[in-house]
Amino acid sequence: SAVISQKPSRDICQRGTSLTIQCQVDSQVTMMFWYRQQPGQSLTLIATANQGSEATYESGFVIDKFPISRPNLTFSTLTVSNMSPEDSSIYLCSVAAGDRHEQFFGPGTRLTVL
Amino acid sequence: GQNIDQPTEMTATEGAIVQINCTYQTSGFNGLFWYQQHAGEAPTFLSYNVLDGLEEKGRFSSFLSRSKGYSYLLLKELQMKDSASYLCAVTDSNYQLIWGAGTKLIIKP
Repeated sequence: SAVISQKPSRDICQRGTSLTIQCQVDSQVTMMFWYRQQPGQSLTLIATANQGSEATYESGFVIDKFPISRPNLTFSTLTVSNMSPEDSSIYLCSVAAGDRHEQFFGPGTRLTVL
Repeated sequence: GQNIDQPTEMTATEGAIVQINCTYQTSGFNGLFWYQQHAGEAPTFLSYNVLDGLEEKGRFSSFLSRSKGYSYLLLKELQMKDSASYLCAVTDSNYQLIWGAGTKLIIKP
């Protein structure tokens, strides 16, 4: 298993500003992911954070809006840029580990945009 | 396209048994996961199936039929703390995890 921490746990931000969310893992992992979960909805994959190269974004998500850094195998950041109220959501990072590629999740960051 | 279907919501009584179904259509198959997610918390791993049959773990069991593209999660002796969303997810041929929309389980006393 892997232990994952995220900072901040929650934030309230003004429209037009940006927020960077940090994700730290207690061991080196290859696969790291960023998800969004809006109230009452399931998980939506934003992107896969690749170490040493650009992140791989899912349809509907672009680098300008959600820039991602992955400087090493234990850390990643997701920035939500030029925020609007529609970006209010829980943002979760996860890692895949083991032969089963099981995913372990961080506690999430609850973002409210006013 | 890739698709996972599960009921949106189910209601059951404390002490009873409930079965949550999941059907999937994916490009390849490398395993099926069930996760539990309490409101306001992150998903946590419940079970994993890669071969046909039943996997039992305490009060929870998970079944898989690969030929039918079908799985279920069985919860026995329901407790109030089992009220949560249950997410079905399938690993495809690229080892990408495809998520269902989740089933919200409501337990009544």
